[in-house]
Amino acid sequence: DTAVSQTPKYLVTQMGNDKSIKCEQNLGHDTMYWYKQDSKKFLKIMFSYNNKELIINETVPNRFSPKSPDKAHLNLHINSLELGDSAVYFCASSQAGTEELFFGEGSRLTVL
Amino acid sequence: AQSVTQPDIHITVSEGASLELRCNYSYGATPYLFWYVQSPGQGLQLLLKYFSGDTLVQGIKGFEAEFKRSQSSFNLRKPSVHWSDAAEYFCAVGARGTYKYIFGTGTRLKVLA
Repeated sequence: DTAVSQTPKYLVTQMGNDKSIKCEQNLGHDTMYWYKQDSKKFLKIMFSYNNKELIINETVPNRFSPKSPDKAHLNLHINSLELGDSAVYFCASSQAGTEELFFGEGSRLTVL
Repeated sequence: AQSVTQPDIHITVSEGASLELRCNYSYGATPYLFWYVQSPGQGLQLLLKYFSGDTLVQGIKGFEAEFKRSQSSFNLRKPSVHWSDAAEYFCAVGARGTYKYIFGTGTRLKVLA
């Protein structure tokens, strides 16, 4: 019973394709996030949702579209994939007041 | 500008030796400070956090960190390193209710047997 689970763990795809990553948390948290970790391990926030509402959008290209169908799920859809999109994408969740982030194991995206 | 600096990209220590990982931050509001650890192929796990109060905080796995406001630092320490501590360590800063955490670039720890 993983707290924050992401699928798939690995994606290998060609430039120009569209792909999605799914995330689910069973912690009852009200806030979920997508972070991108590049090849140098730099971790940067992309999006944050609080109670299904988008609260942070960090100047991410509009090819990236997050969707939160409910508080427990946050999905990431990427259109027209580019080489620079290759990275590890982490989903995370938190509960207001604790400010602690709980991370999934990451989804490694490789664009060829 | 808000930022977190981890000056050491790599650190190598012998098993049983003491460890200190450095973290400096720049943040306008009262900061919340965190240390996370990432083992290979895994997500990040919280080691400890500082919000207020006692400036020396204890965390999991025998780690501690000290908040020094005058130096804008939040260094992580462990008195005796175990081989299983080899991992990437990230310092992060945020503020209550902002939902935005800024991470440092990480320090990779290697432990020699």
